[in-house]
Amino acid sequence: SQQGEEDPQALSIQEGENATMNCSYKTSINNLQWYRQNSGRGLVHLILIRSNEREKHSGRLRVTLDTSKKSSSLLITASRAADTASYFCATDAGNYGQNFVFGPGTRLSVLP
Amino acid sequence: DVKVTQSSRYLVKRTGEKVFLECVQDMDHENMFWYRQDPGLGLRLIYFSYDVKMKEKGDIPEGYSVSREKKERFSLILESASTNQTSMYLCASPPSGRVPYNEQFFGPGTRLTVL
Repeated sequence: SQQGEEDPQALSIQEGENATMNCSYKTSINNLQWYRQNSGRGLVHLILIRSNEREKHSGRLRVTLDTSKKSSSLLITASRAADTASYFCATDAGNYGQNFVFGPGTRLSVLP
Repeated sequence: DVKVTQSSRYLVKRTGEKVFLECVQDMDHENMFWYRQDPGLGLRLIYFSYDVKMKEKGDIPEGYSVSREKKERFSLILESASTNQTSMYLCASPPSGRVPYNEQFFGPGTRLTVL
């Protein structure tokens, strides 16, 4: 069963603009992670936010988590063409949190 | 630098063939995972292994088997490939330690086409 659902499915912006992607999930979590995937490649871990955290920053990335709404958002500020990729949220799953459940992803295109 | 490698980037096989996808990690991790990725469906877990010779079914194990004879290597086997197994296959390995894991390290993926 799919835990995370990203929204929107696709996003197209101009370089320099901010990009916001959202993720909703269904069951309680210990942490939520965001990954990036460049076309045809493996996923790269971007940032993790724990269930007791509300906001986290890493460079141009800002992640928020609202456990009451079971949702998270990823903000990329001052986007660059190199940010063009698919972005996935992942939540821990399984009886012991030993698995990850990924959403279908948001495809971000940053136009020069 | 952590590294997960997969034996092939692209693979083309015929229906009914036995297919082996290999994944190797050099991080001495105990856990390894196989996912398949399809458009609009995200990543779906096929199998994972938490130790040598140990395996657990994921969400979509049908039509697949796995082998973990050595700690660093985790193989995904398609006993009789079918066209609906055309997909991107991703191997991943989280750092050893307590769950939930802080991240997974992914290989570059193998794009398998079954004709």
